[in-house]
Amino acid sequence: AQSVAQPEDQVNVAEGNPLTVKCTYSVSGNPYLFWYVQYPNRGLQFLLKYITGDNLVKGSYGFEAEFNKSQTSFHLKKPSALVSDSALYFCAVSELTGGFKTIFGAGTRLFVKA
Amino acid sequence: EAQVTQNPRYLITVTGKKLTVTCSQNMNHEYMSWYRQDPGLGLRQIYYSMNVEVTDKGDVPEGYKVSRKEKRNFPLILESPSPNQTSLYFCASSSQAVPVFETQYFGPGTRLLVL
Repeated sequence: AQSVAQPEDQVNVAEGNPLTVKCTYSVSGNPYLFWYVQYPNRGLQFLLKYITGDNLVKGSYGFEAEFNKSQTSFHLKKPSALVSDSALYFCAVSELTGGFKTIFGAGTRLFVKA
Repeated sequence: EAQVTQNPRYLITVTGKKLTVTCSQNMNHEYMSWYRQDPGLGLRQIYYSMNVEVTDKGDVPEGYKVSRKEKRNFPLILESPSPNQTSLYFCASSSQAVPVFETQYFGPGTRLLVL
């Protein structure tokens, strides 16, 4: 069965510094990986996804993520954090043999301090 | 504007009183799904639907019912709510019937408190 882990409940970073939000996954076949962001009192919004091809995926708001098959990871990154990036971030994984489900991680709260 | 709408946004009820949370999308999407979000647990899927009259259980279906009589609507029904169903609920939709590769679009959420 597929699973996804976000090992950090919270990440703190200063504005202007690079940020990384970690995600590891477990699937039996090829993984299809997603990052979503949730701002306060809002639904989840899509940031980026990896389906196939280039391991470095670029998404919305300057975010990118690197797919690493050997480490089964899909970490979210941004070169220079903004205060407005403060939000709850969810990693998600699906696979063709997964019963049409997308499994979400528990979420990582990002705080960017001015 | 393309969107997923949910109603109500906030609901306080008592144990055992039947309620329905509505979900509607205007993007002609095939796939719709309900999730609940609880602290430390992320999003867990309750039910999903790949098309009209086609629904299936997710990971936490107990105590919930759904129906998909029209493509745009996917209501979530709690026949006899209990306090452990206090949660934040999200409806989502996706353009493909099997959204393995596809982005899901989420509604704004419904915060439910069962006393």
